Amino acid sequence: DAGVIQSPRHEVTEMGQEVTLRCKPISGHNSLFWYRQTMMRGLELLIYFNNNVPIDDSGMPEDRFSAKMPNASFSTLKIQPSEPRDSAVYFCASSQGGPSTEAFFGQGTRLTVV
Amino acid sequence: QKEVEQNSGPLSVPEGAIASLNCTYSDRGSQSFFWYRQYSGKSPELIMSIYSNGDKEDGRFTAQLNKASQYVSLLIRDSQPSDSATYLCAVGKDDMRFGAGTRLTVKP
Repeated sequence: DAGVIQSPRHEVTEMGQEVTLRCKPISGHNSLFWYRQTMMRGLELLIYFNNNVPIDDSGMPEDRFSAKMPNASFSTLKIQPSEPRDSAVYFCASSQGGPSTEAFFGQGTRLTVV
Repeated sequence: QKEVEQNSGPLSVPEGAIASLNCTYSDRGSQSFFWYRQYSGKSPELIMSIYSNGDKEDGRFTAQLNKASQYVSLLIRDSQPSDSATYLCAVGKDDMRFGAGTRLTVKP
């Protein structure tokens, strides 16, 4: 198994532009998590899906952020419009048995908004 | 009160010593507990999971859980320089929340 796959690995964009981050979870996993990591705030849960359905999006910072999971093998996190304070590493993770079971992380996307 | 709290460190131990990392959590209904290791510039890597009170050993690592005290710890025996990393405590219930992490340095 290739593990959780995220793309792109690095993204540099200008303020105001739309950014789309992508994630392919481990095959057979039914929960998917999006996290954001910064030095100041650590690892923050943005949203998680169970069986492709968004369960808790209370961590999404504001309406500029949206996430979708159209099928069991693909999810996107979109920021529109992007702002410099969105600069962070965004991780996707997946687990097999729901939100309280072992989660495995992708390599992350380092986003820089200038 | 933060949901998951860890000593931010940094924690420094000599090679061969025991490193002790601590974590407390606020939700008494939490069901599952995890330790992740994160090297600089890398993603978190799961190293231990524990679901019931007591100790769980895996090689040089021992996780300890005390639900009554809402406390989980990680002991690393015979610490090696390669153990130098940030260790993240995670607690699962309706979702999975992470502590801020403890940076560990093992000095040769």
